[in-house]
Amino acid sequence: SQTIHQWPATLVQPVGSPLSLECTVEGTSNPNLYWYRQAAGRGLQLLFYSVGIGQISSEVPQNLSASRPQDRQFILSSKKLLLSDSGFYLCAWSVKGPRRTETQYFGPGTRLLVL
Amino acid sequence: QKEVEQDPGPLSVPEGAIVSLNCTYSNSAFQYFMWYRQYSRKGPELLMYTYSSGNKEDGRFTAQVDKSSKYISLFIRDSQPSDSATYLCAMSAGGNTGKLIFGQGTTLQVKP
Repeated sequence: SQTIHQWPATLVQPVGSPLSLECTVEGTSNPNLYWYRQAAGRGLQLLFYSVGIGQISSEVPQNLSASRPQDRQFILSSKKLLLSDSGFYLCAWSVKGPRRTETQYFGPGTRLLVL
Repeated sequence: QKEVEQDPGPLSVPEGAIVSLNCTYSNSAFQYFMWYRQYSRKGPELLMYTYSSGNKEDGRFTAQVDKSSKYISLFIRDSQPSDSATYLCAMSAGGNTGKLIFGQGTTLQVKP
């Protein structure tokens, strides 16, 4: 079966510090990968998605970047955090190709608080 | 106008009630419809997936899609306190990216 991991679970960082959040998927190969941010009491905002190694698409202009160095690894980064970067960050994956069902499967999330 | 509209609630019902959660959408290209359940401080989990218009039932949950009205619903029968969560509708027109468009989510509280 497939599993998705995110770490850390919780992070408190000062303004201006760097950020690195990691997501890995097990039990599948060549997935589509996604990073979302969810502000308190609000919906999901798609930040980045990737259809393959080194292929990153950005959905909104922001202080963040993403990378996919390996097939099942997705990293969200920032060089200098802003207060507005606080939120709940979720990684998700979906099946690609003829077996896809258009559904996404989410990780447990990382709660980021920027002070 | 947002592509997907969902009443954020909160919605509070007594245990055993029938709950109706709804989303409307504007993009007629949407073909795939999902409902996710998200408990507090957790990632969303897939609850229901439907492709065509009509009803799909899974235990106490029924997903309904009306493409002509661009309207989808999730019904929960015999609601339980464990159903207390935020429910997110999501939909897709299909394609290689697998991108979904999400509603804002409806927070449901089922009181014992």
